[in-house]
Amino acid sequence: TQLLEQSPQFLSIQEGENLTVYCNSSSVFSSLQWYRQEPGEGPVLLVTVVTGGEVKKLKRLTFQFGDARKDSSLHITAAQPGDTGLYLCAGGWSNNNDMRFGAGTRLTVKP
Amino acid sequence: DTAVSQTPKYLVTQMGNDKSIKCEQNLGHDTMYWYKQDSKKFLKIMFSYNNKELIINETVPNRFSPKSPDKAHLNLHINSLELGDSAVYFCASSLRGGSGNTIYFGEGSWLTVV
Repeated sequence: TQLLEQSPQFLSIQEGENLTVYCNSSSVFSSLQWYRQEPGEGPVLLVTVVTGGEVKKLKRLTFQFGDARKDSSLHITAAQPGDTGLYLCAGGWSNNNDMRFGAGTRLTVKP
Repeated sequence: DTAVSQTPKYLVTQMGNDKSIKCEQNLGHDTMYWYKQDSKKFLKIMFSYNNKELIINETVPNRFSPKSPDKAHLNLHINSLELGDSAVYFCASSLRGGSGNTIYFGEGSWLTVV
């Protein structure tokens, strides 16, 4: 079992649709990050959330950290083909170097 | 300039061989990592170093040996390669270890063991 469970594992939608992907755990994290990975490249950070209940917006992307700091969601409004990629969440603790990644949600946005 | 660079990008080798992957970061970061991403895209930490000192050593076979000659370099040597070692290996760095720090990844090294 993985520490961070991401759902759905795969998501294929049409351009213009809205979507939400989830990252859940039974562990409490000091912070949670979302990364996007495109084929042939390494993951790139989208956002870091550190406070329970925190909401951050990045253009059409809205990130929320759960009140108990165990889970997070990523909502994309009016998805575009350029949003296609693997979305990874990662949780960390302030007292060590360990960042644990979920298995990711593979998003495909069709034109 | 690439922030985190690793070589080679592609490596095909036979079972039983020994191979190395080199990594360098020019960001002035204190912390470096090796991650393994399997065919299902699951990204798992292998090692983490702070200023050349090993901090995290996950349960990986002792055929895998990291070496950090200085804080800008973290190389990965693999002995007696096995089929199951086939994966993408990512080197990464962050300003410091610990929660909340952005991890900068290299482009990955695609290792195929035949």
